[in-house]
Amino acid sequence: GQQLNQSPQSMFIQEGEDVSMNCTSSSIFNTWLWYKQEPGEGPVLLIALYKAGELTSNGRLTAQFGITRKDSFLNISASIPSDVGIYFCAGQLDRHTGANSKLTFGKGITLSVRP
Amino acid sequence: NAGVMQNPRHLVRRRGQEARLRCSPMKGHSHVYWYRQLPEEGLKFMVYLQKENIIDESGMPKERFSAEFPKEGPSILRIQQVVRGDSAAYFCASSPYRDSLGELFFGEGSRLTVL
Repeated sequence: GQQLNQSPQSMFIQEGEDVSMNCTSSSIFNTWLWYKQEPGEGPVLLIALYKAGELTSNGRLTAQFGITRKDSFLNISASIPSDVGIYFCAGQLDRHTGANSKLTFGKGITLSVRP
Repeated sequence: NAGVMQNPRHLVRRRGQEARLRCSPMKGHSHVYWYRQLPEEGLKFMVYLQKENIIDESGMPKERFSAEFPKEGPSILRIQQVVRGDSAAYFCASSPYRDSLGELFFGEGSRLTVL
């Protein structure tokens, strides 16, 4: 089945630093998304990307949809303590077809920010 | 405007008992997805339902698991004769329509512990 790879499992950074996370896939996705999950909560959508090569920003977050459609990255600039959480990438094959509209998630990267 | 509501938040069952997890989607949303999350794992797709229809159940175990989304009332994920391996967080997500651009709204999850 389709798999999304995220590594490392954990990242530790100092407050104020920038951090970059990568997500790769063995197969193509036509939509890439990044979600954040905080302890005891459900994931929340951060950024969605719909076109190969697309670069999208949301405040201090920037994400890109890889040109091969098999990867994406998320950058967080000037990190703050509330950036702590688990960051998941997710891919969607086809948003127009019911059975292919489900999201496939990576295992996530746990981000820790030292004050 | 209430978000996706899941209950119970925590459920403890003994092996062999039944677990019923409920999900009320956001108002106006008619598409529901169930995901399972094991410790330090990403979210694994289980089933996608619309009102009274199962669209994609490719992620559901073949036995003991079932899901429904009736015309009236919440979506229910039912696990019969639970085993220890069923212990996990179960997340429900909803979207307003099929072409949701990948944006799913997640509930806070139901955490099942099987003793």
